Amino acid sequence: AQSVTQLDSQVPVFEEAPVELRCNYSSSVSVYLFWYVQYPNQGLQLLLKYLSGSTLVKGINGFEAEFNKSQTSFHLRKPSVHISDTAEYFCAVSDLKGTDKLIFGTGTRLQVFP
Amino acid sequence: DSGVTQTPKHLITATGQRVTLRCSPRSGDLSVYWYQQSLDQGLQFLIQYYNGEERAKGNILERFSAQQFPDLHSELNLSSLELGDSALYFCASSATPPTTETQYFGPGTRLLVL
Repeated sequence: AQSVTQLDSQVPVFEEAPVELRCNYSSSVSVYLFWYVQYPNQGLQLLLKYLSGSTLVKGINGFEAEFNKSQTSFHLRKPSVHISDTAEYFCAVSDLKGTDKLIFGTGTRLQVFP
Repeated sequence: DSGVTQTPKHLITATGQRVTLRCSPRSGDLSVYWYQQSLDQGLQFLIQYYNGEERAKGNILERFSAQQFPDLHSELNLSSLELGDSALYFCASSATPPTTETQYFGPGTRLLVL
């Protein structure tokens, strides 16, 4: 079975500062990895996903993530955040066996201050 | 706007009652997923349908059931409601079952059981 750990429940940061949201996963099989963002009172939106190939994945809104198999991590980064990035961020995995379901972490609340 | 619609947006009901949540997937998407987001359990996969057939089951209670109709919309039925069923229920859709396909999430139905 897979599991996802998001180490930080809240990350406060000032506008234009860099940010890293941490995600570690546990799985006995190879997985696909995803980051979703949830803005207040909205559904989840895909930021980026890792399926295979280059371990550095670029997503929307200037976000990127790096897959590290040896450390079973998929940390999300942005070099300079905006107020509009304030949201809840979820890391998720699904296995390669085609069960399709996403297993989510508990989420990290990113709060950007002016 | 993801293209996935969910109705109603909010639902307030009493313990012991039964409710139906409705989801219309993006045009052309054959696969529908239901997720529950609660404060204590986080985001959990409930069930998936593909082209009218149940494809995968997660932590769905026996009091809950779902179906996907020939026009591909889906309904999630929750019965004998308990206080702990209060949560945000998301529907997501994707074009085909393989997990490389992005799941697009609707805005959710917020259920409050009093």
